[in-house]
Amino acid sequence: GAVVSQHPSWVICKSGTSVKIECRSLDFQATTMFWYRQFPKQSLMLMATSNEGSKATYEQGVEKDKFLINHASLTLSTLTVTSAHPEDSSFYICSARAETSGWGATDTQYFGPGTRLTVL
Amino acid sequence: GQQLNQSPQSMFIQEGEDVSMNCTSSSIFNTWLWYKQDPGEGPVLLIALYKAGELTSNGRLTAQFGITRKDSFLNISASIPSDVGIYFCAGWPGSNYKLTFGKGTLLTVNP
Repeated sequence: GAVVSQHPSWVICKSGTSVKIECRSLDFQATTMFWYRQFPKQSLMLMATSNEGSKATYEQGVEKDKFLINHASLTLSTLTVTSAHPEDSSFYICSARAETSGWGATDTQYFGPGTRLTVL
Repeated sequence: GQQLNQSPQSMFIQEGEDVSMNCTSSSIFNTWLWYKQDPGEGPVLLIALYKAGELTSNGRLTAQFGITRKDSFLNISASIPSDVGIYFCAGWPGSNYKLTFGKGTLLTVNP
């Protein structure tokens, strides 16, 4: 299957600093990537849709100035948590959309391994 | 918006037993995806379903896309300890690219 990587896998930072998380599709191109946040024992919560070459689309309630998303290439999207605070501590997961065209076209999302952010 | 009801919420079974979980939707989906998530990891795609009525297997896992396009089930046969984890269903309406997730089924397998 398709592989999506995330870096770093975990990060600890001081309150007020910014943290950048990278999401890469390793063996396929993804025009669309997604950023999720997951709280303990809960399902994934979509934060934003990242589109290559254009602005990200944020879900209601997600601050776009706090969670900056850049999708500069077909294999890389980044999420920057600006001026992080303890309440931003969470598990952040990205996914990349993989689609095939023609007869029997398919559309799937593959997830990265996640990034554990802890803000002190 | 769309909602997915996933059941059961949790299951405790003995090694070797078969498992079944399902998801139902209030609206039609064009794609159903089943994922497994281990603690501290991202979800891993198990099975993808694209056609109503489709029945697909992946080793001991079998999943079906309901005829009404509003439901899907996942079966695991002869469970083993490494099957432990949270299983999520996800549906795609086709009108946009956003997945709708179920709340997950926590599976515990006793050796």
